[in-house]
Amino acid sequence: QQQVKQSPQSLIVQKGGISIINCAYENTAFDYFPWYQQFPGKGPALLIAIRPDVSEKKEGRFTISFNKSAKQFSLHIMDSQPGDSATYFCAASTPRDSSYKLIFGSGTRLLVRP
Amino acid sequence: GAGVSQSPSNKVTEKGKDVELRCDPISGHTALYWYRQSLGQGLEFLIYFQGNSAPDKSGLPSDRFSAERTGGSVSTLTIQRTQQEDSAVYLCASSLVGGNRAFFGQGTRLTVV
Repeated sequence: QQQVKQSPQSLIVQKGGISIINCAYENTAFDYFPWYQQFPGKGPALLIAIRPDVSEKKEGRFTISFNKSAKQFSLHIMDSQPGDSATYFCAASTPRDSSYKLIFGSGTRLLVRP
Repeated sequence: GAGVSQSPSNKVTEKGKDVELRCDPISGHTALYWYRQSLGQGLEFLIYFQGNSAPDKSGLPSDRFSAERTGGSVSTLTIQRTQQEDSAVYLCASSLVGGNRAFFGQGTRLTVV
């Protein structure tokens, strides 16, 4: 119930291509879905987040698509750049859990080839 | 400082020793979290502080793990009698209120030999 399943585990994309990372969840009480970007040796940094009342959110080259009925959400990176090479984590939290702790997916290692 | 600060950055300890990991959250952030990231794994929640109290300790893996927070600011995660399976990166995060826009520190890489 508390799991967030993320795929693929790793992804290689050519510069200029579209990177797509998918996540699925079971707990319908989740109401906050952030994506974090992590570079080696650094802590995760919030990239973009969405709530289930919208189906899409776009910030620059990054877009979250959200499908509430399928309990799935995905991150799309348009015009992928070598500087986007990092590990990406999806996450979810629920207000029913008073700590608002984040439940993370297992991560996707993205490599963008020049 | 502007961000979440953790120390030390790296810690190598012998099996059976106790270690203390420190987190200095962003000033004014009342919520503080500890997560653990094992090699190649996702982030695993350990404990949540709101102010100085810890209403959610559900992620602490054993009674060898404890944490405290003082003055609504600095937090210390203590691992007693360290085991090799404790080797991981320990990440601290803080937010203004619980959950939303949690900011992470760079982590402490703990290696138990």
